[in-house]
Parts: sequence; structure tokens; C-alpha cells
Amino acid sequence: GAGVSQSPRYKVAKRGQDVALRCDPISGHVSLFWYQQALGQGPEFLTYFQNEAQLDKSGLPSDRFFAERPEGSVSTLKIQRTQQEDSAVYLCASRRWAGPYGYTFGSGTRLTVV
Amino acid sequence: QQQVKQSPQSLIVQKGGISIINCAYENTAFDYFPWYQQFPGKGPALLIAIRPDVSEKKEGRFTISFNKSAKQFSLHIMDSQPGDSATYFCAASVTQGGSEKLVFGKGTKLTVNP
Repeated sequence: GAGVSQSPRYKVAKRGQDVALRCDPISGHVSLFWYQQALGQGPEFLTYFQNEAQLDKSGLPSDRFFAERPEGSVSTLKIQRTQQEDSAVYLCASRRWAGPYGYTFGSGTRLTVV
Repeated sequence: QQQVKQSPQSLIVQKGGISIINCAYENTAFDYFPWYQQFPGKGPALLIAIRPDVSEKKEGRFTISFNKSAKQFSLHIMDSQPGDSATYFCAASVTQGGSEKLVFGKGTKLTVNP
């Protein structure tokens, strides 16, 4: 596709529910990132994939957060037993090659935990 | 040390004026400094970026000034327009141990009055 597509755009979860957020990167993009953006804040790094390999998951806030990219294209961020502090916009970004240039961000999924 | 400090938090300028946003960092391992523009409900979009071996980069009405010794960089928007009203984030890229990430500032909400 022309851009990075994320679904759903909005998700309301009851505290304790599990959620799955999907990212469809630009076709052929090797690198994929997840960021978390709290209200009124800058995005914060969660995890990084190069193809199907998860090279860095140091930003995941707890073991309730899990990300995968099994075939090196679509990625899913899963949050188990959601808590109110998980409420944020989750942004996915992709890039054709390694190196810091040319990130394209999706519009994000706004997660609200009630 | 991984922080990027951004100021001001908000900025109001008149149409045709100059908007200036400042950022500072500590980590000398940062090797790429992009600026992102974000509109409500959208993901960040790359505006302009600079490498630390360059002191200034200009693209249209947007200029980055970079002071490596002071560990500071700034974005100047000349002839600001109402359509420039958005939140601007400075960021810094770090590549370590096969991974890479962007560290974002907290953002500046720019309002350009007509």
C-alpha cells in the first residue's frame, strides 16, 4: 500500500482484557518499529524488527506486552491484561532499509482502557 | 542521558512571523536528528533532518541549525502560515548493538494566527 496502515484506529478495552493491534507496513519495508505516545507527549520506543527478527524489545513496558512479525511483513502488538496506564496511541513505523532515515509512521491506534 | 529536551511547550506566532523551537541532548552517540510534524489524529511526518557533521540545513521555509559542541539544535520556520499549526517533535537517532531507535522530545504545539 501507499502508507503504513494500522487497525483498529480506536480500541476501547475493559481493564484486564487482552488486545491485539495490527500494523501493515509499506510493502517491501524491512524495518518495522512500534512506539507508544501518551497524551501530550512524544512517542516512546517500544520495539524494533528487521524482517521477522525482533532485534530490540527493550522499550516494552512489561511482560504483558508482546510483539511479533512472523513473516517479515504484518506485525501485531499484543497487550495482555490491559491496565489504565496502557491507554495511549500506539504508532507503527516502517522503513525500506536499515539506517535511521526515511521512517514512515502510520496514524496509530488509540487505545483507551476503562 | 537518552533524553531530548524540547522547548517551548507551546508557541503562538502571527502569520508571516518566524517560529523557533529548540532542543538539547546529552548522548553523544546520537547520529541523526530529524524533526517531525504531527497533526491531530495523524502519525508524525518527517519534516527535515540533519546529521551532526553539518551545522545548518535548509529546505524551503524550514531550517535546522545544529551546534554540536553545545549539543543543541533548533528548527526555524520562516514566513509561518496557519497551515503550519501542528505539534512539532525533535528527535535523535541512536544505533547500538544491532538495534536503533528514535528518542523524541515532548513536543511543541505551534499555533499560527491569521
